[in-house]
Amino acid sequence: GDSVTQTEGLVTLTEGLPVMLNCTYQTIYSNPFLFWYVQHLNESPRLLLKSFTDNKRTEHQGFHATLHKSSSSFHLQKSSAQLSDSALYYCALSVPGTGGYKVVFGSGTRLLVSP
Amino acid sequence: GALVYQYPRRTICKSGTSMRMECQAVGFQATSVAWYRQSPQKTFELIALSTVNSAIKYEQNFTQEKFPISHPNLSFSSMTVLNAYLEDRGLYLCGARGTGDTEVFFGKGTRLTVV
Repeated sequence: GDSVTQTEGLVTLTEGLPVMLNCTYQTIYSNPFLFWYVQHLNESPRLLLKSFTDNKRTEHQGFHATLHKSSSSFHLQKSSAQLSDSALYYCALSVPGTGGYKVVFGSGTRLLVSP
Repeated sequence: GALVYQYPRRTICKSGTSMRMECQAVGFQATSVAWYRQSPQKTFELIALSTVNSAIKYEQNFTQEKFPISHPNLSFSSMTVLNAYLEDRGLYLCGARGTGDTEVFFGKGTRLTVV
């Protein structure tokens, strides 16, 4: 079935260091949409990035990701972590389901940025 | 802009009783609505996907008998947790999407505590 794998449960960084959160996916659908959602404490998930174009970099709020269909990956990166980046990050896959598109979430990666 | 309001934000119910949560889309037509549950320390599990004028599709481990959903128009959906028990606690999210949209807009969630 469709699935998303985020290998790191927790990533701890010092402010100013680069961020990379891994995401790989599995689906038989040839044109999936990939998303990164960020969830701050006691809030709902908020869309950070999305892409469906192979090998095209997408950027928002200092974060960027490139969908690579050849490796089924959509890793999230940022050049310099900020304290406010501390949150839960979910990689998600959108594919057609019965009756519409469904979003499948990865297990999430908690990013903790310290001074 | 597109917004999704979800209420109540928090609720406590006694074991064996039922509770209903509602989701309202503003600024767009919610052609499809998906309901998710985030159990403690877990990721978001898709409960069901509902598209107006189509049958509601429940994922494995979730049934209409336990989580009946109503999606009567393009701005409203509700879900009831029947006969709630401890394992039903968690954050319930509705995510709505319009026709042709790639982004899913999430409500702020309903946090269910079962006592």
